[in-house]
Amino acid sequence: NAGVTQTPKFQVLKTGQSMTLQCAQDMNHNSMYWYRQDPGMGLRLIYYSASEGTTDKGEVPNGYNVSRLNKREFSLRLESAAPSQTSVYFCASSEWGSGNTEAFFGQGTRLTVV
Amino acid sequence: AQRVTQPEKLLSVFKGAPVELKCNYSYSGSPELFWYVQYSRQRLQLLLRHISRESIKGFTADLNKGETSFHLKKPFAQEEDSAMYYCALRGQGAQKLVFGQGTRLTINP
Repeated sequence: NAGVTQTPKFQVLKTGQSMTLQCAQDMNHNSMYWYRQDPGMGLRLIYYSASEGTTDKGEVPNGYNVSRLNKREFSLRLESAAPSQTSVYFCASSEWGSGNTEAFFGQGTRLTVV
Repeated sequence: AQRVTQPEKLLSVFKGAPVELKCNYSYSGSPELFWYVQYSRQRLQLLLRHISRESIKGFTADLNKGETSFHLKKPFAQEEDSAMYYCALRGQGAQKLVFGQGTRLTINP
């Protein structure tokens, strides 16, 4: 049981380049999330998806786009990367209710924009 | 609006000493509160949640609605407790899970 899987684990981009971070979960969860983790700032929510076909902005959505491709997959796209987007990105999933009150996290993607 | 505040970015205590990591929240309804932990080179994992009223690895946390706090406590710290700790809140019926700034706990031998 893989849980939440993110790819890639590491990435270096040049300013202005684009890339997509991939996330997949095999727990049949409806809710999926993208967070960024920065020193002193904690985990900040970028976007989330409550169910397949829906997405909503979190605290820091500027500069990002997301796609909920299907129930399993939720991708995060940087159209024109900036040094301020250097961070560690985490994907998470959950199925609130039904006896579950926990979000499960991927292993993170460390992104550096130079 | 949902907001979680962890006032201490860094906390250092000696092995065997008591530990308290502070968490305050802002939410008008009845929230669900959690503590997550991230050990070195590992992914975030749930430590405990207030509705379970459980003790995990010797840690407990009590929800104080009057003070809007959910502090994490352990009476005797161990070296393996060194990690990053995050407090998180989910609003009643909400899908969004909001985290605090995190506290890096270091247990000195």
